[in-house]
Amino acid sequence: EADIYQTPRYLVIGTGKKITLECSQTMGHDKMYWYQQDPGMELHLIHYSYGVNSTEKGDLSSESTVSRIRTEHFPLTLESARPSHTSQYLCASSVQRGSSYNEQFFGPGTRLTVL
Amino acid sequence: KNQVEQSPQSLIILEGKNCTLQCNYTVSPFSNLRWYKQDTGRGPVSLTIMTFSENTKSNGRYTATLDADTKQSSLHITASQLSDSASYICVVKDRGSTLGRLYFGRGTQLTVWP
Repeated sequence: EADIYQTPRYLVIGTGKKITLECSQTMGHDKMYWYQQDPGMELHLIHYSYGVNSTEKGDLSSESTVSRIRTEHFPLTLESARPSHTSQYLCASSVQRGSSYNEQFFGPGTRLTVL
Repeated sequence: KNQVEQSPQSLIILEGKNCTLQCNYTVSPFSNLRWYKQDTGRGPVSLTIMTFSENTKSNGRYTATLDADTKQSSLHITASQLSDSASYICVVKDRGSTLGRLYFGRGTQLTVWP
């Protein structure tokens, strides 16, 4: 069973505010990911990390930044929130299953609304 | 262009009935295909993962099939329950990069009525 947590679950904030979305996993997974998902649309990868001090941008351009100082923690920060940042943000981590594939486990998500 | 297309976009069935969801993909080179269930306001939860050599895989009332030649997959749900109401997402992984990118479909929104 996956143990990956995201806080807050819901956030409504005004334009221009700085926000940090928290993501933690207790499984010791090296790889972690941030996805953005709009209603009825596919998930888009915005950031990923192979391990501590390793972060990369994903497929979808994002004004957010991430850090990976500890294995279990992968926070996402928006320096100045805008209405266009309104979306659901999903964090995931993955573990390698033999030589075939790595399995991703998702957190419950943070639904962000910027007014 | 690597893509994953799902059909139907939405589906309503009565409790106890069976249904089949479709997934077509163009991702290449192919590594594996996953089906996820995503409840409203929650993160996706893995149902099945199939590699190139696997034609079918079951998880309780969920059975996934894969035809790697035609690049098609289906998810069959037997004896549906109200709790099956969710979005079902088809995800294909390529093996062309170290990261092994995931390509997500938009999902089929299933609603089960009593």
